Parts: sequence; C-alpha cells; structure tokens
Amino acid sequence: SQTIHQWPATLVQPVGSPLSLECTVEGTSNPNLYWYRQAAGRGLQLLFYSVGIGQISSEVPQNLSASRPQDRQFILSSKKLLLSDSGFYLCAWTPAGTGAMYETQYFGPGTRLLVL
Amino acid sequence: DAKTTQPTSMDCAEGRAANLPCNHSTISGNEYVYWYRQIHSQGPQYIIHGLKNNETNEMASLIITEDRKSSTLILPHATLRDTAVYYCIVRSPKYSGGGADGLTFGKGTHLIIQP
Repeated sequence: SQTIHQWPATLVQPVGSPLSLECTVEGTSNPNLYWYRQAAGRGLQLLFYSVGIGQISSEVPQNLSASRPQDRQFILSSKKLLLSDSGFYLCAWTPAGTGAMYETQYFGPGTRLLVL
Repeated sequence: DAKTTQPTSMDCAEGRAANLPCNHSTISGNEYVYWYRQIHSQGPQYIIHGLKNNETNEMASLIITEDRKSSTLILPHATLRDTAVYYCIVRSPKYSGGGADGLTFGKGTHLIIQP
C-alpha cells in the first residue's frame, strides 16, 4: 500500500532563517506531487505541483521554492522565512494517469511551521 | 470546478447515522463529486467520490440526486473519531493531456459527534 511521509512534524523558526521541508511517497511510481499551505482557520492554498522529476509548477508567487530531486521525493524550501510563512504545510500525491480515480489526492500528516 | 454549498456545522449522536448534505446546482456533466475530511491538526483524508450512481465504501456512502444538483455523504454509525470538517468538492477529471492542479477546499461542514 502507499504511504506518504512528511517531516518534521513541527518547526519553529526565526524570521530570515532558511527552510527545508521534505515529503516522500512509498508504494507508487511517478506520482503527481503537491505542496499546500493552510493558514490558521483558512482553506488550503496550492503552492506547487510536480508531474515528474525536476518538473515544478508554481501556483502563487512567494519566497518559497520546491524541488523534486527523485521520483517520490518533494522538497519545499525558502532562503529567508517571513512571518507570513507560518502555517500548516501539507504534501499530497495522486497516481499518475487520467480519469476520475487519478484525481483523488492523498495527503501527508503535515508540518506545522511557526515563524517568530 | 462547480461551486458547492454546505452547512457550516452539524451535530450527530454517537452511533447514529450522520448525513452531510452538499448543494452543487451548477455541476456539469463530466464533473465528479468528491468528499474529504480533515480531523483537527491532521491532513485531509479522502473519503469517497461519485459521478451519478450512489457509491459505498468502507468509510461512507454517497447519495447523488438524479439531477446531480445535490448529494449526501452518509456515515452509517458515527463515532467520536468522525468529528472533523467535511469538504464536498466538485471537479472534472483530466482525461487528456498532462499537468495537474490542486483541490479547492471551501469552508466545509464541521461535524461534531456527541457522546
């Protein structure tokens, strides 16, 4: 069966510090991968998605970046964190393919980031 | 993706069936109805999806009206662990081409299971 991991689970960082969040998926090949952010009491905001190694699409301009160095690894980074970067970061995956069953997104446990 | 409307919150007694409604009156012919839930401090969890026929899996049942303008998610025997925000999402699958896009979660329904 497929599983998705994210770490760390929680993180407290000072403003201006770098960030690296990691997401890995097991049990599937060539998944589509996503990074979302959920601010407190708000809905999910899609940040990045990737359909393959090295292929990253950005949905919103920000000081965050994403990379996919391996098929099942997705990394979210920042060189300098802002206060507004605080939130709940979620990684998700969908199976490769087209059709309704391939639209189902499976989410990781999330990383709670607090920037002080 | 079509817009959905859900009640803000609902209560249900433990052990009873929880029926969560969703209106999607502008749904188009190729759009599916998906349900997810988010338990506090966790990532969203996929529950079920359907096009026009009723669907059932180990978690829930999905009842879609004949005109497809509304649907109901049924948790047959609610437990305290089912307390969560439930999201109804309507979207069309990608039958051709590459690329992917994210889900748009509305405010959902906060379901509270009472002991």
